[in-house]
Amino acid sequence: DAGITQSPRHKVTETGTPVTLRCHQTENHRYMYWYRQDPGHGLRLIHYSYGVKDTDKGEVSDGYSVSRSKTEDFLLTLESATSSQTSVYFCAISESEFSGYTFGSGTRLTVV
Amino acid sequence: QKEVEQDPGPLSVPEGAIVSLNCTYSNSAFQYFMWYRQYSRKGPELLMYTYSSGNKEDGRFTAQVDKSSKYISLFIRDSQPSDSATYLCAMSGQGAQKLVFGQGTRLTINP
Repeated sequence: DAGITQSPRHKVTETGTPVTLRCHQTENHRYMYWYRQDPGHGLRLIHYSYGVKDTDKGEVSDGYSVSRSKTEDFLLTLESATSSQTSVYFCAISESEFSGYTFGSGTRLTVV
Repeated sequence: QKEVEQDPGPLSVPEGAIVSLNCTYSNSAFQYFMWYRQYSRKGPELLMYTYSSGNKEDGRFTAQVDKSSKYISLFIRDSQPSDSATYLCAMSGQGAQKLVFGQGTRLTINP
């Protein structure tokens, strides 16, 4: 996806281990978001950022933390991974609060 | 009750048919309405964007918003096999910085 990359694309980790997912953008957009997508639930917002060091919680933030030290990078950390956090994680960016979002290709995370 | 309701399908139609996809919502503050298309194992991509009520057309796609009924629709004319994907509706309110998504409808166009 142009201008936004997620890493890693796939990850398998063990219960109880910390995991960090990275979102990198080259569009210089102010807003960045982390969503998870699960069957039966659609896309649910975990955390979002409206500027460097400015973040806020979304609908399903428990067990997750985020950091944004630079405009281009937004990190999602699972402090102690659980099997319920097995999911596909999408990062998105937007130019303004009224713009459509551009999504990354996703990270498929499996917690065993 | 979810803020945004969308029938997950699956929906299967023959090539060339007109497809109608719909969402209902409960939050009267929603003013920005979007449709995203998501191919298998890919990220969603923005298809249509509408502000407030009315219709918007882009090629074979038409988005309709009826705020009085809290109901939005996406119509696909002359459907093609390449339209086979999951379609997600999304919406937000004035000043909101985050979208609320529907569950997505899985659509298959059969040649």
